Amino acid sequence: NAGVTQTPKFQVLKTGQSMTLQCAQDMNHNSMYWYRQDPGMGLRLIYYSASEGTTDKGEVPNGYNVSRLNKREFSLRLESAAPSQTSVYFCASSSMDGNYGYTFGSGTRLTVV
Amino acid sequence: GESVGLHLPTLSVQEGDNSIINCAYSNSASDYFIWYKQESGKGPQFIIDIRSNMDKRQGQRVTVLLNKTVKHLSLQIAATQPGDSAVYFCAVAGYSTLTFGKGTMLLVSP
Repeated sequence: NAGVTQTPKFQVLKTGQSMTLQCAQDMNHNSMYWYRQDPGMGLRLIYYSASEGTTDKGEVPNGYNVSRLNKREFSLRLESAAPSQTSVYFCASSSMDGNYGYTFGSGTRLTVV
Repeated sequence: GESVGLHLPTLSVQEGDNSIINCAYSNSASDYFIWYKQESGKGPQFIIDIRSNMDKRQGQRVTVLLNKTVKHLSLQIAATQPGDSAVYFCAVAGYSTLTFGKGTMLLVSP
């Protein structure tokens, strides 16, 4: 089925460890996004890529880096994980610069201990 | 920047009732709005959208109303079913991204 695929689904990290969250879409969308979701905070934008070759910071970019590897793939890296980064991370894609509905992945639940 | 708020964090209804979930936005220039549904353990799913040149749009059992004068939109769900239990988010389009509200949890009891 067409959509947005995120890996892994669950991850536990120790403080200071690094990891990369992977995201791939097969809908030929131009734009891709990373959000984090915390209880009572809704969805907050970390980084986005409006098109292949470009990335921009969102509302909460500190502690994260991203790579738009090609049109399909957009990864999120935590270089030195902190307990404050415990969250559920969602990748999304859209066809045109955010002015159309996003398609979300199923999320990665990350716990940093 | 845009801010998006919802009036109620939780809404409890009986099966068969109509549900109304509200959302307020801050930027009067906003021109595209979306409602998402998020079931437990899943990513948000698109329900319905509306552009600022409309004030009402209907889907299957859902209606979105937009009042640009007071910068308010609502999602109406007709004949609410247990399967409608979820968190509902409104989202407002900015220059390149969407800004999401914090969500309303809809609880449907039989």
